[in-house]
Amino acid sequence: AQSVTQLDSQVPVFEEAPVELRCNYSSSVSVYLFWYVQYPNQGLQLLLKYLSGSTLVESINGFEAEFNKSQTSFHLRKPSVHISDTAEYFCAFMNTGFQKLVFGTGTRLLVSP
Amino acid sequence: DVKVTQSSRYLVKRTGEKVFLECVQDMDHENMFWYRQDPGLGLRLIYFSYDVKMKEKGDIPEGYSVSREKKERFSLILESASTNQTSMYLCASSIAGGTGLINYGYTFGSGTRLTVV
Repeated sequence: AQSVTQLDSQVPVFEEAPVELRCNYSSSVSVYLFWYVQYPNQGLQLLLKYLSGSTLVESINGFEAEFNKSQTSFHLRKPSVHISDTAEYFCAFMNTGFQKLVFGTGTRLLVSP
Repeated sequence: DVKVTQSSRYLVKRTGEKVFLECVQDMDHENMFWYRQDPGLGLRLIYFSYDVKMKEKGDIPEGYSVSREKKERFSLILESASTNQTSMYLCASSIAGGTGLINYGYTFGSGTRLTVV
């Protein structure tokens, strides 16, 4: 079965600390991988994506994610978080040739002073 | 700025009522989707549509139906609302396949928080 696993439902960190949000996927075919962010009382926004090429992808606000095919992972990292990064983060994938996103259960990032 | 607009931000309905959730997009997207979002369960696909008057069931279609009479509008219908349908409902749209889809992904609305009492 095709699925996405986000191992942590909630990750509390202090401001300026590093953070890693974990994501593993299960698929028998090639996939495209995405991270979406949902700020409080808003819809989801695309944060970054892996389509092909370099396995390390970056967003404009300092997040990065690395595609690891052997471990079927796409973990999201940031070296120094801000209060404004408090949000829920969803990992998702799309099989090449299909048009539906499969989402993980989400990880709530809580950044405190 | 391109948008997916959901008509209601908050909605309270009674058990047994027929409920309509409306979603409109102004991007001329072919694909439209309805998800429900529940704590600990993430986003689950209810229905999606690849074209006008076309619909396909997602993972949890029971108790729901949809309507897409025009390209820009995709309605979710709860035929007889029940308390277990209390949830956040998210509408999304996307280009139909190809590089446009994988480059831009889905565009989401802000959601409708439905409470059934």
